[in-house]
Amino acid sequence: QVQLQESGPGLVKPSETLSLTCTVSGGSISSYYWSWIRQPAGKGLEWIGRIYTSGSTNYNPSLKSRVTMSVDTSKNQFSLKLSSVTAADTAVYYCARGVQIRPNGKNWFDPWGQGTLVTVSS
Amino acid sequence: DIQMTQSPSSLSASVGDRVTITCRASQSISSYLNWYQQKPGKAPKLLIYAASSLQSGVPSRFSGSGSGTDFTLTISSLQPEDFATYYCQQSYSTRFTFGPGTKVDIK
Repeated sequence: QVQLQESGPGLVKPSETLSLTCTVSGGSISSYYWSWIRQPAGKGLEWIGRIYTSGSTNYNPSLKSRVTMSVDTSKNQFSLKLSSVTAADTAVYYCARGVQIRPNGKNWFDPWGQGTLVTVSS
Repeated sequence: DIQMTQSPSSLSASVGDRVTITCRASQSISSYLNWYQQKPGKAPKLLIYAASSLQSGVPSRFSGSGSGTDFTLTISSLQPEDFATYYCQQSYSTRFTFGPGTKVDIK
């Protein structure tokens, strides 16, 4: 079955750029949406954005000015960059596959990666 | 933005109890509503999609209902492995949003 694994630095300095990669195994990255979702310790879930395998993106407006997502279909990977980070960006970051059915466009996240903790601190 | 609320924020229940969690959207979202279960230190797991469809592999004691603005997740007979936090999520708007979660713990 499809599995997702996040990777990247666990510690990022304030004002720098957070960079994470999600590697998809057990299936093709093609023809799906791929999302990033984060969760500060003890808090709820916040959707960051998604990318389709064509490269088209949708971002959370609250983060849009700082977010860039990309996809590398040859490596079955997609990536997140979040610039100008502050302590408020400290969270567990999850990648997830977006399953969408047509024609009504209903969609959901399944599966999820195990998550990776990113701490913003000097 | 579509705001999602859940009630209660937490509940205590016993094994075998019937548990109901409510999710409300700030505007009509038809049946564009999903439910996830999250255990401590783990990623969320999809339980119900499109308001009432049971994800493959999820026990039949879980069920979802509702449409428009009001939705319900029901666990017909709570099992020890069901103690977790449950989140609803709307996919009506591309700016996907989650409810704040309902923590189910042991009475």
